[in-house]
This record gives sequence, C-alpha cells and structure tokens, in this order.
Amino acid sequence: EPEVTQTPSHQVTQMGQEVILRCVPISNHLYFYWYRQILGQKVEFLVSFYNNEISEKSEIFDDQFSVERPDGSNFTLKIRSTKLEDSAMYFCASRASGGANEQFFGPGTRLTVL
Amino acid sequence: GQQVMQIPQYQHVQEGEDFTTYCNSSTTLSNIQWYKQRPGGHPVFLIQLVKSGEVKKQKRLTFQFGEAKKNSSLHITATQTTDVGTYFCARAREYGNKLVFGAGTILRVKS
Repeated sequence: EPEVTQTPSHQVTQMGQEVILRCVPISNHLYFYWYRQILGQKVEFLVSFYNNEISEKSEIFDDQFSVERPDGSNFTLKIRSTKLEDSAMYFCASRASGGANEQFFGPGTRLTVL
Repeated sequence: GQQVMQIPQYQHVQEGEDFTTYCNSSTTLSNIQWYKQRPGGHPVFLIQLVKSGEVKKQKRLTFQFGEAKKNSSLHITATQTTDVGTYFCARAREYGNKLVFGAGTILRVKS
C-alpha cells in the first residue's frame, strides 16, 4: 500500500539554525499539508499546498517557514531560524483529488531545538 | 469559530469495557473525520461522516454524526489492548482542505 514517507525521523538543531524537513507524498496525490504536534498536544495545521502554491496557511506559519516542491516527488518544509518553541513532531500529509477528504499522514519528523 | 471540542481528555478502561469519545462544535459541520494515533505514531484515518444522523460501523467501532451536524461520537465495544492510542475528531471544509483537530481522547486499556 502506498504511503507518505518523511526524513529524517529525528532532527536535533541549535536555536537559530535552519532546518529542512523532507516528505515524499503518495505519488498520485495532488494536495499536500504540513501539520505539527507539540508533545502531548493536538495536531495543528501549518500549511496546505496545491498546484505548486500555498493554498492556505495558519498563524503559526510565519515568515520563518516556507514550503517547496522542488521536483515531482519531494515536498519540503524549511524553518529558517529555529526557536525553542519550534520543537515538535512535524507531520506531512497528502490527499488525492476528486473530493476524497482522507488525508494520509507520514510517520513524522521529531524536531528538537536546543 | 472553527474549533471542535473533544471529551473526555483521557480514559482508562478495563479490557472488555466499552469506550466513547465525543466531539462537539458550536457551528454546523460539513463533515467530521476520525483519526487514531497509536503511542509514538502518526494519525491514521478511520472514517468520514457527512450526512445528518449518519451511523457507520467498523467491527467494534461505531461512529455517529448528530442530526444537527454539530456533534459526533466514536464508541468502541469491548475494548482490547490493541485499541490503545489517542482518538481525534477533525473537521474539514467541504472540499477537504485543512483539518482542524480536536484535542483528542487518550485511551488506555488495562488487561
């Protein structure tokens, strides 16, 4: 069964450093998302991406965040200057077109900012 | 506005007991989705409810959508240890853009 993959599984970085989290969505999906989950809390929407552009973003997704689909398979989330409060699990998700609402989540990247 | 409230926050049951989690919204929902997240895992889609009063079953799991489309519930009959995890409800706009998750209900099952 096709699945969303994410790398790395765990990233440790120093405050102020840039990180890039990578995702490979399911190949025939057209809608891509990033969510984050701070330890013990609920899953929060960050950004959605369709047709090579951001379709919606949350208040969390400020100027320090960016997304890119550099080729036909990868979908990346970049945090330019990490803060302590960016420490969380980051999930990538993808969705097929045609009105199907089910989102398929990747295993996540645990980001730890020191 | 868009928030969905979910209760209880936590439930610890004896294996074989039933479990229910509830999701409520102050506004009418176009649909409600349910996801399960195992400890250390990622959210996995369980089901989507769209119609007023809809009831769907998956083995021991029963999902309901209220008549007013403002609340939903997930009921597990005779829990097993494999049911442990966090159950989230989530709302999506009609054309399935972002998901707004409830706070989740953590289920622990004592064998």
